[in-house]
Amino acid sequence: KNEVEQSPQNLTAQEGEFITINCSYSVGISALHWLQQHPGGGIVSLFMLSSGKKKHGRLIATINIQEKHSSLHITASHPRDSAVYICAGPSGGGADGLTFGKGTHLIIQP
Amino acid sequence: DAMVIQNPRYQVTQFGKPVTLSCSQTLNHNVMYWYQQKSSQAPKLLFHYYDKDFNNEADTPDNFQSRRPNTSFCFLDIRSPGLGDAAMYLCATSRDVRAANSPLHFGNGTRLTVT
Repeated sequence: KNEVEQSPQNLTAQEGEFITINCSYSVGISALHWLQQHPGGGIVSLFMLSSGKKKHGRLIATINIQEKHSSLHITASHPRDSAVYICAGPSGGGADGLTFGKGTHLIIQP
Repeated sequence: DAMVIQNPRYQVTQFGKPVTLSCSQTLNHNVMYWYQQKSSQAPKLLFHYYDKDFNNEADTPDNFQSRRPNTSFCFLDIRSPGLGDAAMYLCATSRDVRAANSPLHFGNGTRLTVT
């Protein structure tokens, strides 16, 4: 079964800083998901990527399939980016679901 | 426009009193998932439906059941809630049965309190 690890667990930064959140997984996968969860619980899908890099606004996600590693970057961070960021990959072993990382709790201070 | 809607947003139930959480979707997706998320933990998959085919995770307690009467609706039934079942319950949908191959769409969740 896939194991998904994220780092750091908690991150506090100042507005405007460049943010990097890392994710590693144990089993080769076809795609990785990055999700955002705001206080109150709702989860939004940010990216699903299988190779290279994707960009959406100030968010950039990269993945290295060979190294089983992905990163989520936030440029020009803003207090509204404060949330929990979660990476998730296929559970593996024939299961259809996702295995979630424990999340990175990001706080951007003004 | 909300595409995955969960009701209610907050649910309080008594220990041992059956409770039902609901989820509806306007995306016409084949797959619907129920996740349980306890405080400061990652979401944990309870079960999922691919159309009418029900798939239960091996470690999901028998206390948890699910129904999917049609494509749009899916229900989570907790037959005898215990204090340990207090959590956020998240419903999600995807187009493809292989969760790795299509984005997930989540509802806002139902936060369950057991008194």
